[in-house]
Amino acid sequence: AQTVTQSQPEMSVQEAETVTLSCTYDTSESDYYLFWYKQPPSRQMILVIRQEAYKQQNATENRFSVNFQKAAKSFSLKISDSQLGDAAMYFCAYRSLIQGAQKLVFGQGTRLTINP
Amino acid sequence: GAVVSQHPSRVICKSGTSVKIECRSLDFQATTMFWYRQFPKQSLMLMATSNEGSKATYEQGVEKDKFLINHASLTLSTLTVTSAHPEDSSFYICSAGVGFNEQFFGPGTRLTVL
Repeated sequence: AQTVTQSQPEMSVQEAETVTLSCTYDTSESDYYLFWYKQPPSRQMILVIRQEAYKQQNATENRFSVNFQKAAKSFSLKISDSQLGDAAMYFCAYRSLIQGAQKLVFGQGTRLTINP
Repeated sequence: GAVVSQHPSRVICKSGTSVKIECRSLDFQATTMFWYRQFPKQSLMLMATSNEGSKATYEQGVEKDKFLINHASLTLSTLTVTSAHPEDSSFYICSAGVGFNEQFFGPGTRLTVL
C-alpha cells in the first residue's frame, strides 16, 4: 500500500517570503498523480497543484510550484511571496492510476502560519 | 471548478439516533464518490468509496453496518451514521470525481453526538 509522509507538522514564514513544505511517498507503481491540497479554517479542501508522475517538468501554478524528484519519491511544495491568505493546513496526497484504486492517500498535513 | 455540496453543514444529535449526510455534485455527474472522516488537527481518513449503482467499498476498520452509504444516482451519495455515539463525533467530508479526473470536495459536515 502507498504511504505519504509529511515530516513538518508546523511551518511558519514571514509575509512575502518563500517557504517549502516537504512530502515523501512510497509506492511500487511507476505512474500516478501527486497533489497538494490546502485546507483553510473553513475546512474546505482546495486543490493547489497537481503533478503527473510521467511528466518530468515540475508543475507550477502562479506562486505555487513543486519540486518533484521521482527517484527519491519526494514532492515538495514551494510557496513564493507568501500571503496572509496562504495560512492553512496543507496536505500532500497520492493517487494511483490503477482502475478501481483512485482513492487519495493523504499525508499527515503541515500547518502553515504566515507572520505579518 | 465543479461544485460539490454537503447537507447539513452541522448536526447535533442524541446518542443512539441515526444521522444522514447528503453529498451532491451540482454541475457534473460523478461516477465515484468518496467519504472521509477528519478528527481535529488530523488528516483525512478515507472511510469508503462508492460507485453509482453498486455497493460501496469500505476501508479496513470501517464498520459498514454502522456507516451506510448509498450512491443512488450520479449526483447524490448519502452517508448514514446509524446508532450514533459520542465517539462518532467528527468532521465528515465527501468528494466526487469522474474517472481518473480531479476529485472535488464538499465543504464538510460537522457531527456532534451528545
